[in-house]
Amino acid sequence: DTEVTQTPKHLVMGMTNKKSLKCEQHMGHRAMYWYKQKAKKPPELMFVYSYEKLSINESVPSRFSPECPNSSLLNLHLHALQPEDSALYLCASSQEGRGKPIGAFFGQGTRLTVV
Amino acid sequence: AQSVTQLGSHVSVSEGALVLLRCNYSSSVPPYLFWYVQYPNQGLQLLLKYTSAATLVKGINGFEAEFKKSETSFHLTKPSAHMSDAAEYFCAVSESGYNKLIFGAGTRLAVHP
Repeated sequence: DTEVTQTPKHLVMGMTNKKSLKCEQHMGHRAMYWYKQKAKKPPELMFVYSYEKLSINESVPSRFSPECPNSSLLNLHLHALQPEDSALYLCASSQEGRGKPIGAFFGQGTRLTVV
Repeated sequence: AQSVTQLGSHVSVSEGALVLLRCNYSSSVPPYLFWYVQYPNQGLQLLLKYTSAATLVKGINGFEAEFKKSETSFHLTKPSAHMSDAAEYFCAVSESGYNKLIFGAGTRLAVHP
């Protein structure tokens, strides 16, 4: 199994809603990532978890709250978002957060629209 | 800080023609470089990676890239384009010690009959 699975594929939420994005991998990877991708732009790193601990937060606003319940799961909790937060949110995983980089495997993404 | 620059936001080729997508990197240490492809409304798929072994790297779908330190380049090529190659291509560099990817702006490849 070489997949990273993200749910839901599409999400529409109001600015007062609370929602969560979910990501799952069964490749035994110990690093997991959240990226944000705006239309016609490259992905931008938001968070890195290494061995279930948050190791990088790229100065992301607190309305985005990541969680790594175990080595296979990664969540992104959303609260009080703004319309400009509408984007494709990509989850990725790799063998380790540190060490010789081998690249990351990406999920299909969640297309988020904030209304 | 490490970075990559992709020259040409749009490239258009005929089916069967050579594909050349350009990427230059900036790094004070030996870089780890990657090419990813993204089809519409999809995630990113790893095409190939350079991790300081062979300078000519072969990837999936007939793509390859050559690491040239003297030119600080890692251009992506494919001898013969297929219609199915039409997509967005991203060059990326990994910050030393982490699988943290820094992406270039991307190049949209169009393939016409």
